[in-house]
Amino acid sequence: DTEVTQTPKHLVMGMTNKKSLKCEQHMGHRAMYWYKQKAKKPPELMFVYSYEKLSINESVPSRFSPECPNSSLLNLHLHALQPEDSALYLCASSQEASGRYGTGELFFGEGSRLTVL
Amino acid sequence: GQQVMQIPQYQHVQEGEDFTTYCNSSTTLSNIQWYKQRPGGHPVFLIQLVKSGEVKKQKRLTFQFGEAKKNSSLHITATQTTDVGTYFCAGFSIPIKAAGNKLTFGGGTRVLVKP
Repeated sequence: DTEVTQTPKHLVMGMTNKKSLKCEQHMGHRAMYWYKQKAKKPPELMFVYSYEKLSINESVPSRFSPECPNSSLLNLHLHALQPEDSALYLCASSQEASGRYGTGELFFGEGSRLTVL
Repeated sequence: GQQVMQIPQYQHVQEGEDFTTYCNSSTTLSNIQWYKQRPGGHPVFLIQLVKSGEVKKQKRLTFQFGEAKKNSSLHITATQTTDVGTYFCAGFSIPIKAAGNKLTFGGGTRVLVKP
């Protein structure tokens, strides 16, 4: 069982819709991440939050808007997406974003599989 | 920027046989992590290697970090059907902050096991 919970597990949306992906962890981790994963590809980093502040934005289009309401929650707001944005969106957390050896172990959620029509 | 490459991309293994997957970085790494992703699943952390030349074992899995900290390998002995999945290596460059505190994933090795 994963300790990072993501909802919804599946989402189908049209290009004009607004939706949100949610992620929650109760491990006391101070870093949270959004990754995008296309089929047969590695996870691709989108955003990093460290101590509830956005520390990395990997030049992600503005139609993706992250939000970290508190240290346990991470949202990804979606608006005006394109069909090529269809992918598995993975949330992850770690104790720190930049410890002595980097992040340490990343704990991934089961992901939200997004289909944009 | 930092690049992490894995070979092979695909590995078809007969059940009971051994195999090795390799990870090579274009820059010196502070550490390297390995993850396993089952089909339809999410990446699950296996191990982190930090020291030059480090070798760690987990049952049938042996992980090695190169002396120059630019490569790593994962060796699986007596492959079982439960080993099916994609194995990703991921590393941080030195110094850590130069890479924007970003863990860079390799392309993965997709392992299929023939019973």
